Amino acid sequence: SYVLTQPPSVSVAPGKTARITCGGNNIGSKSVHWYQQKPGQAPVLVIYYDSDRPSGIPERFSGSNSGNTATLTISRVEAGDEADYYCQVWDSSSDHQGVFGGGTKLTVL
Amino acid sequence: EVQLVESGGGLVQPGGSLRLSCAASGFTVSSNYMSWVRQAPGKGLEWVSVIYSGGSTYYADSVKGRFTISRDNSKNTLYLQMNSLRAEDTAVYYCATHGDHTYYFDYWGQGTLVTVSS
Repeated sequence: SYVLTQPPSVSVAPGKTARITCGGNNIGSKSVHWYQQKPGQAPVLVIYYDSDRPSGIPERFSGSNSGNTATLTISRVEAGDEADYYCQVWDSSSDHQGVFGGGTKLTVL
Repeated sequence: EVQLVESGGGLVQPGGSLRLSCAASGFTVSSNYMSWVRQAPGKGLEWVSVIYSGGSTYYADSVKGRFTISRDNSKNTLYLQMNSLRAEDTAVYYCATHGDHTYYFDYWGQGTLVTVSS
């Protein structure tokens, strides 16, 4: 089955740029989606199809995907961005399966 | 407005069964792809199962043969029948809609906690 690898934690100072990576074999050939989850809350979609933003998500959130790495970039980080972030793909190659990365805890210093 | 409300969670003994429900409003369950996603305490998200609008169903290897996803069109409700439950099935279970017949999850319920313990 397909595996997605994320760093367990990323720390960034307010106002700086955070980059959260998601590694997978030839992930650039897949569509990657990103979710933000705050403690005690359900996940929220922040990026879909590698780089599209749902309505209501600030432009500070952006995404890219190429080769073996997809990246979620959060510009001008705010305290309210502190959360867990998960990447996700859909693996239709064998059996239809959703796949999540292990998650990255973003800490705003 | 899309709303998803899960129910049916609780404490169950190992080997027992439980049926989760996800009542939907603001859209038609049968016209959408719908998934269950779970999260063990302190752990990450794990996809569990999907039902496509055409009725095809798929499962994670960890639950295949034990869980069954279904829907009741008259009640606009999604279900997850969980049998032969194990301690490792302990998690918050979320139902989620797929965006426009694709493979990302655009709306999520608030989740329902399932605890498997003796």
